[in-house]
Amino acid sequence: AQSVTQPDIHITVSEGASLELRCNYSYGATPYLFWYVQSPGQGLQLLLKYFSGDTLVQGIKGFEAEFKRSQSSFNLRKPSVHWSDAAEYFCAVGYRTASKLTFGTGTRLQVTL
Amino acid sequence: ETGVTQTPRHLVMGMTNKKSLKCEQHLGHNAMYWYKQSAKKPLELMFVYNFKEQTENNSVPSRFSPECPNSSHLFLHLHTLQPEDSALYLCASSQDLRGPYEQYFGPGTRLTVT
Repeated sequence: AQSVTQPDIHITVSEGASLELRCNYSYGATPYLFWYVQSPGQGLQLLLKYFSGDTLVQGIKGFEAEFKRSQSSFNLRKPSVHWSDAAEYFCAVGYRTASKLTFGTGTRLQVTL
Repeated sequence: ETGVTQTPRHLVMGMTNKKSLKCEQHLGHNAMYWYKQSAKKPLELMFVYNFKEQTENNSVPSRFSPECPNSSHLFLHLHTLQPEDSALYLCASSQDLRGPYEQYFGPGTRLTVT
């Protein structure tokens, strides 16, 4: 069965610093990969997705992620974090159909001014 | 209205009450989902509907009863709930189930069972 690991439960960065959130997956075939963000009291918003092709994908709000098959990773990055980026971030992996989506447990990002 | 909407946003109910959660998507999608989000646990898929037909029920207790009258609306009927059912209930939709389409989420209903 597929699984997703987000090893960092909580990360704190200073505003303006760079950010990398880690995501590792376990699945035999090529997965479909997603990053979602959830602000307090809100649902999940899609940041970016990878299905195939260029392994570096650009998303909304200045985020990008890189698929590394050899490391089974899909880490999320942002060069300069803004205070409004404080939220919880979820990595998800899917295959075959839209319903087969497995989410990680999330990483809570805190941004200090 | 755009995207996926959910009502009510907050609900407090006693263990003997009956209530319903409503979800509506304005994206022209054909698949809809109910998820449960509890603190410190991964998102749990509860039900999946595709073209109004239920395609998945992930061993959800019968006190949760979904209904999908059309591709745009999804309900979750609640009765005789337990305190451990308190959680954020999220609705989502996707184009359909034929491909790895991304899911779009509503803001959720925060449910508290007293």
